[in-house]
Formats: sequence, C-alpha cells, structure tokens
Amino acid sequence: GAVVSQHPSRVICKSGTSVKIECRSLDFQATTMFWYRQFPKQSLMLMATSNEGSKATYEQGVEKDKFLINHASLTLSTLTVTSAHPEDSSFYICSARKNIAGARYEQYFGPGTRLTVT
Amino acid sequence: GQQVMQIPQYQHVQEGEDFTTYCNSSTTLSNIQWYKQRPGGHPVFLIQLVKSGEVKKQKRLTFQFGEAKKNSSLHITATQTTDVGTYFCAGVNYGGSQGNLIFGKGTKLSVKP
Repeated sequence: GAVVSQHPSRVICKSGTSVKIECRSLDFQATTMFWYRQFPKQSLMLMATSNEGSKATYEQGVEKDKFLINHASLTLSTLTVTSAHPEDSSFYICSARKNIAGARYEQYFGPGTRLTVT
Repeated sequence: GQQVMQIPQYQHVQEGEDFTTYCNSSTTLSNIQWYKQRPGGHPVFLIQLVKSGEVKKQKRLTFQFGEAKKNSSLHITATQTTDVGTYFCAGVNYGGSQGNLIFGKGTKLSVKP
C-alpha cells in the first residue's frame, strides 16, 4: 500500500491568522499532490494541483494568494491558509499520486485536517 | 468543464439487500476510480478501472466501466453493516490536464441490521 500523512489533524485558529497544513507521502515519491476541500455532507472539491518544484495550479474560484501551496520535495506539500476567516472552516484533504506502471496512477489520501476559524 | 454525476445521493437498504451506485461523466475518461469514505474519515481508494468494458470484483463488490468509458457502476451484493459509508466515483481525463480527479457527489449508503 501507500501511506499519506497529514498534519495537523485538527486546528483551531483565530480569524486573521495563518495556518499551515502539511501533507507527506511516507513510502513513495509523489511529483504530484492535490489539495481538496470538503464541506459537511458534500463531495471533495479540488482546490489545486501541486507539482514538485513548480507553481501550483489552482482551480477556478480558488484564491492563490489566500491558499498558498508549496511542494518543495517529492514527499512534502504544504497548504497555508492565510488571513483565515470563519468561512474557511472546513475539512482539507490532500492526496498524493503514485505512479503504478507507465501512465497508470493511483491516488492516496491523507486523513484530512479539520480547520475551525473562530 | 468536465462533470461527473453520481446517483443516487442516498440509499437505505436492509442488511442482506443489494446496492448499486452509478456514475456518468460528461466526457470520455482515461480511467475511473472508486473510493469509500466512512463517517468522519477520509476517502479510501477501492479500485481503478482503465479499460473499456472492464469488470472487476472485490469479494461482494463488483465494479464496471462502460464501453464508451463515460459511465461506471459499483454493485454490492448482500450488504452488511460494515458497508456503511459514502461511495465516491472519481474520473480522470489525462488529455490536456494534469490528471486531477473529478469527484462525483457520492452515494451515502446506510444499512439497517
């Protein structure tokens, strides 16, 4: 199997502060990682695609200056929520893409981070 | 943009009954993946289908990929209480994209013992 860790699992912060979430692939290298957001009882919405060594690609409607993504190594991507507001409260999930063979990939998800902004 | 529609949104079954969830994509997919998310948990990868018309089985679960690679289904035979959760399909189209998954809205399965 493949393991993806995410830290922290839960975080409570005050409005206006910044929060950094880490996503690590523990037993494989991931040139591509993805960040998703999930509202209660809803599906996962892709926020951005993170490629090692290059700028992230953000989905339409996602503010890149607010959600800073850094993919500095093949096993680590970080998402920083800057100047957090209560509406940023959500479940953030990362996933890492593992190459299986040729052009075939599997994606493995981290356990998620519950962000609450007060 | 590409969309993946999934039905039904909810399914309540009696333990022992069968369950099926369906996915349809607005575009042809390179592959489709299925995930299960338990309440309070994160999505767990179940399977990936790549070939047109592919059928794969995992114990009581049967996954199908349509001939046109635009639809897929997950069928659970004789459901058990451990099957409870939300099942998501997610499609990928590598052509012209980075291969990000587009998730369906999920089907929430509840099983009455």
